[in-house]
Amino acid sequence: GIQVEQSPPDLILQEGANSTLRCNFSDSVNNLQWFHQNPWGQLINLFYIPSGTKQNGRLSATTVATERYSLLYISSSQTTDSGVYFCAVGETGGSYIPTFGRGTSLIVHP
Amino acid sequence: GAVVSQHPSRVICKSGTSVKIECRSLDFQATTMFWYRQFPKQSLMLMATSNEGSKATYEQGVEKDKFLINHASLTLSTLTVTSAHPEDSSFYICSARGGVAGVYEQYFGPGTRLTVT
Repeated sequence: GIQVEQSPPDLILQEGANSTLRCNFSDSVNNLQWFHQNPWGQLINLFYIPSGTKQNGRLSATTVATERYSLLYISSSQTTDSGVYFCAVGETGGSYIPTFGRGTSLIVHP
Repeated sequence: GAVVSQHPSRVICKSGTSVKIECRSLDFQATTMFWYRQFPKQSLMLMATSNEGSKATYEQGVEKDKFLINHASLTLSTLTVTSAHPEDSSFYICSARGGVAGVYEQYFGPGTRLTVT
C-alpha cells in the first residue's frame, strides 16, 4: 500500500514564527487532507487538497501531486496552533481508504 | 462545515461488560464511516470501514466479533466493544464521508475515551 511520511516529527516554535510541515507519499493520490489534532483529541479539517494551493488565514497548503508531496505552511504561529498535524492520502485507483502519516507534533511557546 | 458527533465522550466500564459508541453525521449523509483507534502519541489506526446498509470491512488483526460495527442509516454508525478488557482502553474516533462523486473529504467526531477497569 501507499506510504506516507511526515516531517519533521517534532517542532518547537516561539510564538510569531513561521513553519513548514511536509508530507511525502509513495504513489499517486486522488485525495489528500491535512488535519490538526488539538490537545483534547479532536481532529479539525484544515485542507482538502489533492492538488494545487489553498489558503485559509495564516495557514496555506500546496500539493504537487506529480512530485508526490504536500506542504503545510503556518505563518505567525500562535500557542493555539499547538497539537499534532496529520496528513492523510488516498491512493489513485485504490479503495479510497485514507492512509495517515505519523504526524508532526508542534509546540508553540508564548 | 460538516459536523460529526460522537457519544459518549468518555466512558469507564468494568472488565467483561460491553460498551456502545455512537457516531452521527449531523448535517450530511455519510455513505462511508470509518472507525479508528489511537494510542497515546501515535497516529490513527484504522479499525474498520462501513458503508451504509453493508457489513463493515475490518482491517487485518481487528476482531470483528469483539468490535461490532453497525451502519444502519446514512447518519448513524455504532461501535460496540464486547466483553471489554483493560487492553481495550483507548481513544476511539469515528469519521464520516459523504457521497459526492470524486470528493473523498472525511470529517471526524470528537472521539471517545474508553477506560476499562
